[in-house]
Amino acid sequence: EVQLVESGGGLVQPGGSLRLSCAASGLSFSNYFMSWVRQAPGKGLEWVANRKQDGSEKYYVDSVKGRFTISRDTISRDNAEISLYLQMNSLRAEDTAVYYCAVGVTAAYFDSWGQGTLVTVSS
Amino acid sequence: QSVLTQPPSASGTPGQRVTISCSGSSSNIGINFVYWYQHLPGTAPRLLIYRNNQRPSGVPDRFSGSKSGTSASLAISGLRSEDEADYYCAAWDDSLSGVVFGGGTKLTVL
Repeated sequence: EVQLVESGGGLVQPGGSLRLSCAASGLSFSNYFMSWVRQAPGKGLEWVANRKQDGSEKYYVDSVKGRFTISRDTISRDNAEISLYLQMNSLRAEDTAVYYCAVGVTAAYFDSWGQGTLVTVSS
Repeated sequence: QSVLTQPPSASGTPGQRVTISCSGSSSNIGINFVYWYQHLPGTAPRLLIYRNNQRPSGVPDRFSGSKSGTSASLAISGLRSEDEADYYCAAWDDSLSGVVFGGGTKLTVL
């Protein structure tokens, strides 16, 4: 069973930076997409970024291009455990949201989700 | 303004059948698979339907999905109180090179 645990959220001032982490375990398929999806207060789900497990593909929503970077570290040799990151720079008030880590076999296929971590951008 | 269009709300009484629509375009739903997610506040979203009409294991067969052209729909039959949640459609968009979600539909069980 895939388990995803996000961390790193908190309060940051506009223009500041934050790095989110997602500890993923139980990954059993050979290739997959890992994604960040967010939900601003009172709003719907919004996809933020994703990357293919082998790093061959990375995509970002237009509003975060040039500010956010998705990356990962392999924890176990068989890729069953990895850490996914979202480096967020030049943060804006509109980036305030709960950020979820999600994984699936294709880009829009979010089979497993974490519980989310709250990012608040405010002075 | 979401790329995929859903009604903001839907409702039904226990036992009824409700349908939630999702309208897109030729760059997303028209050429790619549609996915449906259920989200209860304070919890992780849950995959309900993948590849237009497939149910993951553990999802009751009361939930079904369909797609026609640039639109898709989620049907819930035998409505139950625990179905009260927000529902989102999603698809890959070839023009945007990204995942697009619908704005979400809040389902109320009366």
